[in-house]
Amino acid sequence: DTAVSQTPKYLVTQMGNDKSIKCEQNLGHDTMYWYKQDSKKFLKIMFSYNNKELIINETVPNRFSPKSPDKAHLNLHINSLELGDSAVYFCASSQERLAGGETQYFGPGTRLLVL
Amino acid sequence: GDSVTQMEGPVTLSEEAFLTINCTYTATGYPSLFWYVQYPGEGLQLLLKATKADDKGSNKGFEATYRKETTSFHLEKGSVQVSDSAVYFCALNSGAGSYQLTFGKGTKLSVIP
Repeated sequence: DTAVSQTPKYLVTQMGNDKSIKCEQNLGHDTMYWYKQDSKKFLKIMFSYNNKELIINETVPNRFSPKSPDKAHLNLHINSLELGDSAVYFCASSQERLAGGETQYFGPGTRLLVL
Repeated sequence: GDSVTQMEGPVTLSEEAFLTINCTYTATGYPSLFWYVQYPGEGLQLLLKATKADDKGSNKGFEATYRKETTSFHLEKGSVQVSDSAVYFCALNSGAGSYQLTFGKGTKLSVIP
């Protein structure tokens, strides 16, 4: 049973297109995250939702918009894709908040390539 | 703000060699510390963690001790295997209501037979 799943696994698209990445977790967690991993493997938090409420919104272009229809899902929509958006995007989840060393569980990643 | 500094990679070792990957941190309060591992083509998974000073996290032969006096959380393994080839990330959560993990830049380990 996959704990955190993402679709699609690979996404190749043209500049200027709009695309979405979906994430679902079946762990019953309250908090979900989106990370971007660049070509040098550097991981940067983008967004976090707790009980469907946005709690972390780092400095990312407003072309990126997260949407959480329920606690188990956190989708990422990207408008007007640019070459620099090419990266691996990871979804993660954790139980409540990371105040006591709670583990984050990561999805397998979505490899986005913008041509 | 919080930060994590890891030794630069890549690191290449022969099978059965001793591994150390250094990690130091800057944080307010009493952070929890983590090591995550990313195998090729996969997402990150927790390797081990420690939530207070002098705690030792261990898993799969890997160990790391939370040293508050030196603000360090170095990862060690006595005898690496080819299957340990991966990227290793040190991370912290500063606690006190923080939802965020701060990651180091990752260290790529390659183990050759």
